[in-house]
Amino acid sequence: RKEVEQDPGPFNVPEGATVAFNCTYSNSASQSFFWYRQDCRKEPKLLMSVYSSGNEDGRFTAQLNRASQYISLLIRDSKLSDSATYLCVDADLFSGGYNKLIFGAGTRLAVHP
Amino acid sequence: DGGITQSPKYLFRKEGQNVTLSCEQNLNHDAMYWYRQDPGQGLRLIYYSQIVNDFQKGDIAEGYSVSREKKESFPLTVTSAQKNPTAFYLCASVGRTSGNTIYFGEGSWLTVV
Repeated sequence: RKEVEQDPGPFNVPEGATVAFNCTYSNSASQSFFWYRQDCRKEPKLLMSVYSSGNEDGRFTAQLNRASQYISLLIRDSKLSDSATYLCVDADLFSGGYNKLIFGAGTRLAVHP
Repeated sequence: DGGITQSPKYLFRKEGQNVTLSCEQNLNHDAMYWYRQDPGQGLRLIYYSQIVNDFQKGDIAEGYSVSREKKESFPLTVTSAQKNPTAFYLCASVGRTSGNTIYFGEGSWLTVV
C-alpha cells in the first residue's frame, strides 16, 4: 500500500461546480498535512495547511479525518483558474525535526466553461 | 526575500556524464529534499537531509548522490549509473522558521541527449 494515495482523476467539471478530492495516508502517527497546487511544468505551491478541526480559505475547505486516515479538499464555485494538479502531503513531522515529506501522486482538475 | 534557488533551470546531459544540480536556500531551514517528477506523475523522493553533514536515501536513490556540507546548500549529482535521468527535478526545504511550510525551488529540467 502506498503511503499517500490520491485519485488521479482527471476531474472534469464546469465553472461554478463544487468538487471534492480525498487523500488517504497510511501512517496513523502522522500529524501534519498540506494541500499543494501544481500547474503544468511548474513547482508546487502551497494551497493550504490541514488542521485537525478543519479549515477554510475562501472557496477552499480542508478537513482531516484521523479515524479513517484521510484528508479532503473541497473547492466551491470552481473557476477556470483552478485547473491544476492538487497534491496532498504527509509532512511526517516529529518533535525532533522533520522526516520524509510524502506526496501523493496528485489529482488533476480541469474546469471548463 | 527568502527562498530556494535551483540551477540550472534547463540542462542537457550526454550519456555517461555526471551532472550536478544546485539547490541553495536562505530560509535557515534544517531539512532539505530532492524529488524527481516524470511527466504526468507524482513526486518521488530521491534523498533528504535533516541536518548538516547527514542525509538519507529516499525511494529512488540509485544513480544519485548528494552532500550537505552547509546548511544552505544541498546539491544533487545525477551519475552515469542513473539510466533514465530525463525528468523534472525539484528541491524543497522546510523549517520551523517558516511555520513548517514546504518551500520549493523552481525546478530543473534535465534531458539526456
